Amino acid sequence: GAGVSQSPSNKVTEKGKDVELRCDPISGHTALYWYRQSLGQGLEFLIYFQGNSAPDKSGLPSDRFSAERTGGSVSTLTIQRTQQEDSAVYLCASSYPGILGYTFGSGTRLTVV
Amino acid sequence: GQQLNQSPQSMFIQEGEDVSMNCTSSSIFNTWLWYKQDPGEGPVLLIALYKAGELTSNGRLTAQFGITRKDSFLNISASIPSDVGIYFCAGQLSLGNEKLTFGTGTRLTIIP
Repeated sequence: GAGVSQSPSNKVTEKGKDVELRCDPISGHTALYWYRQSLGQGLEFLIYFQGNSAPDKSGLPSDRFSAERTGGSVSTLTIQRTQQEDSAVYLCASSYPGILGYTFGSGTRLTVV
Repeated sequence: GQQLNQSPQSMFIQEGEDVSMNCTSSSIFNTWLWYKQDPGEGPVLLIALYKAGELTSNGRLTAQFGITRKDSFLNISASIPSDVGIYFCAGQLSLGNEKLTFGTGTRLTIIP
């Protein structure tokens, strides 16, 4: 597509439930990133996929968080047993390798009640 | 995780005024970038800086990569209503790893 597409745009879930957030990057972009933006905060790095290389998972805050990228394209970020502190906007971005000017999606706003 | 220190946190200005914001870090960065985020959207790249001391302009925006490689500033001249939003600096720590560290943001509001 023309841009990075994220779904759903909004998600309200009960504490303890699992959620899946989806990111569809720009066609041809081999690098894909997930960031988290809490209310009034900057962007916190979560995970980075580059081609067929092992992902950089150094930003995942706990083992409740995981992400996969199938076929080098679509990525899913999964949060298990959600907690209230997981409430945030989850942003996905993609780029060509070596290009730092990521293109971000509009994000998924997750609210855990 | 590490974040860059960005100031000011918020600015209230009148249309037509110039704006200046900056970003500092205790670590050396290889690249500095500035992004703008509108409500409900993801950040959009404004300017990228690749060399220490580099001064780059994009229309009414001017940004500089500090000579120590630990800071950067962004200036906006003659602000207009569409400049409203949150501005983020971002830096790349390691060449070859495209992971970015983001600042805490500067929220710009234009007073009518």
